[in-house]
Amino acid sequence: EDKVVQSPLSLVVHEGDTVTLNCSYEVTNFRSLLWYKQEKKAPTFLFMLTSSGIEKKSGRLSSILDKKELFSILNITATQTGDSAIYLCAVRGNEKLTFGTGTRLTIIP
Amino acid sequence: DAGITQSPRHKVTETGTPVTLRCHQTENHRYMYWYRQDPGHGLRLIHYSYGVKDTDKGEVSDGYSVSRSKTEDFLLTLESATSSQTSVYFCAMTGTGEAGELFFGEGSRLTVL
Repeated sequence: EDKVVQSPLSLVVHEGDTVTLNCSYEVTNFRSLLWYKQEKKAPTFLFMLTSSGIEKKSGRLSSILDKKELFSILNITATQTGDSAIYLCAVRGNEKLTFGTGTRLTIIP
Repeated sequence: DAGITQSPRHKVTETGTPVTLRCHQTENHRYMYWYRQDPGHGLRLIHYSYGVKDTDKGEVSDGYSVSRSKTEDFLLTLESATSSQTSVYFCAMTGTGEAGELFFGEGSRLTVL
């Protein structure tokens, strides 16, 4: 059975700090790893990493995929209060995505 | 903005009653999914569909059934609701990106008393 583990479960930092969120996985027939941000409602898509795209960056957010060691990290630099959310990692095997339980990030002003 | 909506958004019902949640998409996407989200468990797949009348079970399918008679609609039915099915339910569809990132509906909060 596919498995995705995220750490830490929660994280509280001050505005301006840099954070690193972790995602490790075990999946049959890996196709992609996705990061989502969830505030109060539906998860919104951040990044997708595949065998052909193991590093992504968008503004203050960046992510890398290590297919050999089966993990990914999501970095957020110069954090802002608007970054407070649950960050979800998901891995696609065949037709389905398996989600981790998420990391709850809280940014203190 | 991704063209996927859920109804109802909130529902309170009693144990033993049937409940149907509706997911409607306007993107003509083939794949649709129902997830439930609970504290400590993250998003767990209930059922999914890979085309009209083609559905399959996810990891937490007991007590749920689905139907997809049209591409745009994916219905989730709780045949006899129980308190353990109190949750937030998300519908999702596969977008057009490489390897198919999901787009989610706004969620339906169901409370079973």
